Amino acid sequence: GEDVEQSLFLSVREGDSSVINCTYTDSSSTYLYWYKQEPGAGLQLLTYIFSNMDMKQDQRLTVLLNKKDKHLSLRIADTQTGDSAIYFCAEIHSGGYQKVTFGTGTKLQVIP
Amino acid sequence: DVKVTQSSRYLVKRTGEKVFLECVQDMDHENMFWYRQDPGLGLRLIYFSYDVKMKEKGDIPEGYSVSREKKERFSLILESASTNQTSMYLCASSLSRVPYEQYFGPGTRLTVT
Repeated sequence: GEDVEQSLFLSVREGDSSVINCTYTDSSSTYLYWYKQEPGAGLQLLTYIFSNMDMKQDQRLTVLLNKKDKHLSLRIADTQTGDSAIYFCAEIHSGGYQKVTFGTGTKLQVIP
Repeated sequence: DVKVTQSSRYLVKRTGEKVFLECVQDMDHENMFWYRQDPGLGLRLIYFSYDVKMKEKGDIPEGYSVSREKKERFSLILESASTNQTSMYLCASSLSRVPYEQYFGPGTRLTVT
């Protein structure tokens, strides 16, 4: 079945850039997502990218997709303490009932 | 704003009890999902439903069942709770159109003793 892998933990200093990486196995993925989970809350969609795109930028967020290597990354510029959260990579492929496969989640710790 | 609510934030049950977790969404979404979240394992799909009275098994359905009698409500049932079902349970809903964004409830932390 589909598999989505992430490193479990990332620590950065406030003001630096954060890069969270994700690899996936499903070559038929159509959309790839980044969700954010703040402490005590459910997940919230941050951004998404269609599989025929290489890059998407949204304010401080940059998503890079390398489809050949099945690698997705999320860059957060000027990381703030409010960015401390768990970030989940996720993918969906065509032909299903919008079944999304989520990664293991990366806990981002921002040090003031 | 889409709202997904779950009946309890924290729940403590005994082994062997029947447990009901309720989820309600207010945006007329066709699809609803139940996940469990465990440290280091991420989110794992238990069941999902793409229409009233329709359900599909996810990746880990064993020990669980679901009910969707109305479009806005999706219930997760633990027929006989066991300690290995201690977890965070997250409900989500989505429309059946691009980008298929899922909206999540705040979660229910279930402890089975």
